[in-house]
Amino acid sequence: SYELTQPPSVSVSPGQTARITCSGDALPKKYAYWYQQKSGQAPVVVIYEDSKRPSGISERFSGSSSGTMATLTISGAQVEDEADYYCYSTDSSGNLYWVFGGGTKLTVL
Amino acid sequence: EVQLVQSGAEVKKPGESLKISCKGSGYSFSSYWIGWVRQMPGKGLEWMGIIHPGDSDTRYSPSFQGQVAISGDKSISTAFLQWSSLKASDTAIYYCARLDVVIGFDYWGQGTLVTVSS
Repeated sequence: SYELTQPPSVSVSPGQTARITCSGDALPKKYAYWYQQKSGQAPVVVIYEDSKRPSGISERFSGSSSGTMATLTISGAQVEDEADYYCYSTDSSGNLYWVFGGGTKLTVL
Repeated sequence: EVQLVQSGAEVKKPGESLKISCKGSGYSFSSYWIGWVRQMPGKGLEWMGIIHPGDSDTRYSPSFQGQVAISGDKSISTAFLQWSSLKASDTAIYYCARLDVVIGFDYWGQGTLVTVSS
C-alpha cells in the first residue's frame, strides 16, 4: 500500500523558519495537501494542491513540491503554530484511495 | 454556515455492533463526498474511506475494506460508519469531513470517541 513519509518531529525557536517534509513515490504526479491538528481539535487544511493557501490561513504557511518530496514551510513560526502536521495525497495506481503521512510534531520554543 | 455534527461518544464491548453518524448542514449534502478518518489514541490520522451521498459511490482504504461499512442517507443529510463486530483495537476518535475536490477535506466534524473494552 502507498505510504507518505514525514519526520516525527521538528523543533524551532519563535521567529525561525520551520520546514516539514513529506516523501512519496507518487508526488511527482499527485498533489500534496497539508493539515494542521492542534491538541484536542479536528484537523484544518493549511495548504492544498501543493502550494495554495485556503482563505483564512496565515501567510506564514507555504508549500512546495519537487520530485518525490513535498515541503510545508512555516516562516517566522509562532508559538501558536505548535501542532501536529500531516501531509495527504493519493497514489498513482488508480486505486482511488488517499493516505495521510505519519505526522510531524512541530515544537516552537 | 457549513457544519458537520457527529453522534456522541460510545462505549461498547468487543463483539458488539455500532453505527455512528455525521449530519451535514449549510450546504448541498448530496454534492460533496464525505470521508471518515480514524485517529487511535496518541496516533496519527488514517484515511478510512469516502462516500458520495448523491449516488452512494463508496471507496475504501485497503486497510479498512471489509472491516467497516460506510453508508449515507441523503434524505436526512447524514453519513454513517458501521461495525458489525467491534474489537478493542477499534478504540479511537473517528472524524467525518467534507471533501472539496480542490481544497481537500475543508470542513470537519467534532469527532466521535469510540471506546471498546470488556
